[in-house]
Amino acid sequence: EPEVTQTPSHQVTQMGQEVILRCVPISNHLYFYWYRQILGQKVEFLVSFYNNEISEKSEIFDDQFSVERPDGSNFTLKIRSTKLEDSAMYFCASSENQPQRSEQFFGPGTRLTVL
Amino acid sequence: GESVGLHLPTLSVQEGDNSIINCAYSNSASDYFIWYKQESGKGPQFIIDIRSNMDKRQGQRVTVLLNKTVKHLSLQIAATQPGDSAVYFCAEIVQAGTALIFGKGTTLSVSS
Repeated sequence: EPEVTQTPSHQVTQMGQEVILRCVPISNHLYFYWYRQILGQKVEFLVSFYNNEISEKSEIFDDQFSVERPDGSNFTLKIRSTKLEDSAMYFCASSENQPQRSEQFFGPGTRLTVL
Repeated sequence: GESVGLHLPTLSVQEGDNSIINCAYSNSASDYFIWYKQESGKGPQFIIDIRSNMDKRQGQRVTVLLNKTVKHLSLQIAATQPGDSAVYFCAEIVQAGTALIFGKGTTLSVSS
């Protein structure tokens, strides 16, 4: 069964450093998403991406964040200068069609720890 | 403020019981609702969805009910099993939006 994969599973970084979280969405999917979940809290939407551009972003997704689809298979989330409060689980998701027409499949997540 | 939320943070049931998990939403513009299950250390997993033009939808052992009048969503799990133990989130998508807006989650514990 096809699945969304994410690397690394755990990333530890120093405050102020840049991190890149990587995702490989399901191959025939067209819509891509990043969410985050602070420990013990709800899942929060960051950004959606379609046709090589951002479709929607939340207030959390400020100038420190960026997304990219550098090739036909990867989808990345970059945090330019990490802060302590960026520590969270980051989930990538993808859907075959528009999110109101098809299920969003989530990856296993990357745990980001900022020290 | 939060658009989607759940009434109870935890629910404990015995194996074989039916479970009901509730969720209230406040955004009238939401027209698509989904229930997700999250097991420890994993990403959310789709369970069942419902559109705003429906009030009930059934899957395998699960039923979702939508009451638009009071902006209430519920997930019913029949014959709950230990493998159903997880955190359950309701989520919504606003009309023409792409973002899943999640509620806070209910932790379901099933004892055998």
